[in-house]
Amino acid sequence: DGGITQSPKYLFRKEGQNVTLSCEQNLNHDAMYWYRQDPGQGLRLIYYSQIVNDFQKGDIAEGYSVSREKKESFPLTVTSAQKNPTAFYLCASSIDGTKPQHFGDGTRLSIL
Amino acid sequence: AQSVTQLGSHVSVSEGALVLLRCNYSSSVPPYLFWYVQYPNQGLQLLLKYTTGATLVKGINGFEAEFKKSETSFHLTKPSAHMSDAAEYFCAVSDRGSSASKIIFGSGTRLSIRP
Repeated sequence: DGGITQSPKYLFRKEGQNVTLSCEQNLNHDAMYWYRQDPGQGLRLIYYSQIVNDFQKGDIAEGYSVSREKKESFPLTVTSAQKNPTAFYLCASSIDGTKPQHFGDGTRLSIL
Repeated sequence: AQSVTQLGSHVSVSEGALVLLRCNYSSSVPPYLFWYVQYPNQGLQLLLKYTTGATLVKGINGFEAEFKKSETSFHLTKPSAHMSDAAEYFCAVSDRGSSASKIIFGSGTRLSIRP
């Protein structure tokens, strides 16, 4: 079945450490997105990519980095510069920016 | 610029009662509109979408929504609530034909169902 796979489901970060969240899709979608979700809040866009080898900052890109070397993959790195990284991270993809987005099941990141 | 406002961060209804979740949007061009549902510790799942054509849109799990241009609204309804409907619901908007490549999400409404 086609879909989006996020891994790991739970992740712990030590102070000063960078961690990378994986997002893989086999839907042949061009566009991919990373969102951050905090308790009681909606989705905030971190980065998005419309095509391979291209990506744009979203509303809260500081302290995060991404790459888009392959169409099916869009990993997110949470750097040590992100001082409050504890959140639920969601990856999504779509055929293009106006079409419905398909979501993965998320990664919950916590600080040790 | 586009925006979405969901009225009421928390709605509670009795099992069997009408569900009404409110969404108003702002868009300078005819929008695409979406409703998503999120269960605890999961991603979002598309409930229904409006693109063109009929303004009353039917989705999964018995939900429907009506696009009202004059009121800039896209409220979500279900005639009879079920315990399994308890979840977070998000309204979203995107520009039709835009190259912006983004969907704007509302802040969400948590739906609780009373036995």
